[in-house]
Amino acid sequence: ETGVTQSPTHLIKTRGQQVTLRCSSQSGHNTVSWYQQALGQGPQFIFQYYREEENGRGNFPPRFSGLQFPNYSSELNVNALELDDSALYLCATSFHLGTDYGYTFGSGTRLTVV
Amino acid sequence: AQKVTQAQTEISVVEKEDVTLDCVYETRDTTYYLFWYKQPPSGELVFLIRRNSFDEQNEISGRYSWNFQKSTSSFNFTITASQVVDSAVYFCALSEAARGNEKLTFGTGTRLTIIP
Repeated sequence: ETGVTQSPTHLIKTRGQQVTLRCSSQSGHNTVSWYQQALGQGPQFIFQYYREEENGRGNFPPRFSGLQFPNYSSELNVNALELDDSALYLCATSFHLGTDYGYTFGSGTRLTVV
Repeated sequence: AQKVTQAQTEISVVEKEDVTLDCVYETRDTTYYLFWYKQPPSGELVFLIRRNSFDEQNEISGRYSWNFQKSTSSFNFTITASQVVDSAVYFCALSEAARGNEKLTFGTGTRLTIIP
């Protein structure tokens, strides 16, 4: 399963700054989710967008926000960066086609906050 | 609330040995999906298998096999004749089956090291 592209691959930001991470997927993948994976941990659900509207949110503060666009691309924005925001951020898209169901992850953006 | 437990934090085996990674889950949903992903050092999550809660048949794919037991809420993963390339962190995950709500709940992962 392929077709999810994330950019950039690596990023270094200073505490207090803002960052935008990007994700693009295949046509028809109308659900996109973002996950944060801290070092040594499993991915944690941040939020999900379905047809350009937020459709579920994990235990993350409002300074984590997102957008989904009609062309199936998506953004994750994080304001007022904190050191603990350093993590691998993963985008995942999913589709339903009849009884088939796919869920595909990108290779992630590794964010370091200094 | 959904929960996935991978009690084995790290496992090391000698190449060619068989190894089983355990996964226990909790959910109130009657319909759900279970997943296994492999995460090599590069960081990408590589899809291995997806199982619908209504399908309890065990599955074999080459050296990989999965044992789904609803009665014990377990979905264990076995690698037969392990190889060095199998070294990675393996995650078990659970999701609801509702369209448009595919949040995955992950376990904490098992780091598997295959010793040559």
